[in-house]
Amino acid sequence: EVQLVESGGGLVKPGGSLRLSCAASGFTFSSYSMNWVRQAPGKGLEWVSSISSSSSYIYYADSVKGRFTISRDNAKNSLYLQMNSLRAEDTAVYYCARDGAGIAAAGPPDYWGQGTLVTVSS
Amino acid sequence: QSALTQPASVSGSPGQSITISCTGTSSDVGSYNLVSWYQQHPGKAPKLMIYEVSKRPSGVSNRFSGSKSGNTASLTISGLQAEDEADYYCCSYAGSSTPVVFGGGTKLTVL
Repeated sequence: EVQLVESGGGLVKPGGSLRLSCAASGFTFSSYSMNWVRQAPGKGLEWVSSISSSSSYIYYADSVKGRFTISRDNAKNSLYLQMNSLRAEDTAVYYCARDGAGIAAAGPPDYWGQGTLVTVSS
Repeated sequence: QSALTQPASVSGSPGQSITISCTGTSSDVGSYNLVSWYQQHPGKAPKLMIYEVSKRPSGVSNRFSGSKSGNTASLTISGLQAEDEADYYCCSYAGSSTPVVFGGGTKLTVL
């Protein structure tokens, strides 16, 4: 059974940093591209970042480019999102989601974690 | 990359059919057969209902179907049931610069 479990969310002040983690199990993690997707309270889904299976291809939404860094450790079956210079508008539930399209760049996800809440507030 | 366009809300009575549209551009929906649809109940993670335009994952009811014409994809739910009431999102591959784009979401109300 595919499982994705996010952790690392919490309350942080504007300008602060946070590192999210996603522990994957039930599939060969090193064979899949991965995504981070977020959802602000009461709002829709927003793609944040993608990373290919070997970390060769990395992509970011314009809204987080230069502030967020996606990475992975295939030996630990883990995905990460380092978030710096956080803003109030980054407040959201952050989901780890597996690529369902089987392409290098990562496409629409198939499996999702339960999400971790990040709140940016003073 | 702009979000895909979905109606904010749709509604239908039990037993009826509804269709939710998802309009993109020739750079995303129109260029790739990589459109997925997700169902999301309040407080829950999204659940994959349709992938690659019209394929259903194992365990998803055959009341859910997907299609695409040009730059617009559609999700049809037939035989509406109370448990179908949820938010629905479309998603498309959009090329190597911004690979994933979502629609704004559609709230389905079962009357």
